[in-house]
Amino acid sequence: DSGVTQTPKHLITATGQRVTLRCSPRSGDLSVYWYQQSLDQGLQFLIQYYNGEERAKGNILERFSAQQFPDLHSELNLSSLELGDSALYFCASSVDPRQETQYFGPGTRLLVL
Amino acid sequence: DAKTTQPPSMDCAEGRAANLPCNHSTISGNEYVYWYRQIHSQGPQYIIHGLKNNETNEMASLIITEDRKSSTLILPHATLRDTAVYYCIVRGWQSGGSNYKLTFGKGTLLTVNP
Repeated sequence: DSGVTQTPKHLITATGQRVTLRCSPRSGDLSVYWYQQSLDQGLQFLIQYYNGEERAKGNILERFSAQQFPDLHSELNLSSLELGDSALYFCASSVDPRQETQYFGPGTRLLVL
Repeated sequence: DAKTTQPPSMDCAEGRAANLPCNHSTISGNEYVYWYRQIHSQGPQYIIHGLKNNETNEMASLIITEDRKSSTLILPHATLRDTAVYYCIVRGWQSGGSNYKLTFGKGTLLTVNP
């Protein structure tokens, strides 16, 4: 158990819908990262937050957005969902962006039908 | 970040040492070598990391060549539960920068056989 929690574990929705994935980092970790893992693209970095502020963006679509709240939990919002958005979404956390070790949560499996 | 090359798959007998190689010939002086593993659709799990010196922890050992162009992850006594995809990642430090993402390649599928 990494100490990072993600909810829900599974999510099934339809195309065009909007969903919110939630992540609670390890106690004391200020930085949160979101990754997407699909069969054809592998594990890809989406976005990073540190203490409530966006720090880096990766291959994140404009239909996706994220935020980190004052209590440090983070939410990833996916809208206008397409079939290709079906994937595993992982959240990771670290003490700060310079901390080498990122600890990953168990992931949310999203299925868009 | 430097690119890494790993074999797509490897087999190992249970109880034997598993040696997973990684090439990172374009690594620069301030880049670290990290190893993560992912057990069937679970979240990636940190194993070990190093800069120049060999490193050992309770999970594994990391051997980095003197020229730092390659490294080997060693699981000393592999068990069936070590069957996973192992990722070798080279990650730089950007002084004053803000992007500390991990760039995952395809990794090596290690299968530990009974």
